[in-house]
Amino acid sequence: GAVVSQHPSRVICKSGTSVKIECRSLDFQATTMFWYRQFPKQSLMLMATSNEGSKATYEQGVEKDKFLINHASLTLSTLTVTSAHPEDSSFYICSARSQGQETQYFGPGTRLLVL
Amino acid sequence: LAKTTQPISMDSYEGQEVNITCSHNNIATNDYITWYQQFPSQGPRFIIQGYKTKVTNEVASLFIPADRKSSTLSLPRVSLSDTAVYYCLVGEEYSSASKIIFGSGTRLSIRP
Repeated sequence: GAVVSQHPSRVICKSGTSVKIECRSLDFQATTMFWYRQFPKQSLMLMATSNEGSKATYEQGVEKDKFLINHASLTLSTLTVTSAHPEDSSFYICSARSQGQETQYFGPGTRLLVL
Repeated sequence: LAKTTQPISMDSYEGQEVNITCSHNNIATNDYITWYQQFPSQGPRFIIQGYKTKVTNEVASLFIPADRKSSTLSLPRVSLSDTAVYYCLVGEEYSSASKIIFGSGTRLSIRP
């Protein structure tokens, strides 16, 4: 149980284009989902927290107009990187948690490369 | 949010017991302590969680002293596949408003 998936696992795009990453909780209802970014050899950095049906709460320094987060259902959250640039290349990881669960469970991550 | 401090790296050998200690001096009353394991290019994987005293599962044990200002993850008889980064996190469970902030983690290297 407590499986979280992400799609795609890897994406390469041209600078200036937008990329959408999906995060799904497969066997539980995720009332809260989190999006993280991780650069090589570094720890995970929380980007935003989203509760189902509400606007996401972004961490300081994360541009909400650049990283659009939608959490329209209890099993799906999406992160859209708009007008991507090479510096946005990173490993993006989502996690999901239900109020009935003891902890949050992480997806496998999405590797984004912007050329 | 409680800040955690862990050793940056640790080395050990196959078959040994490895103990990784995490400091969280500002832990709040409602905070739980959770440990995750992360392999390269993968999402973190839940290992164990506890509130106080000792918790044990099929993978590890977690020791938490009475003052809860630190915790120790114990991995019995490690193997090469235990080489990974281990994160100690503290946060309030069951709260939709709470969030977990990752520290630097401990890079564990296991040698034959």
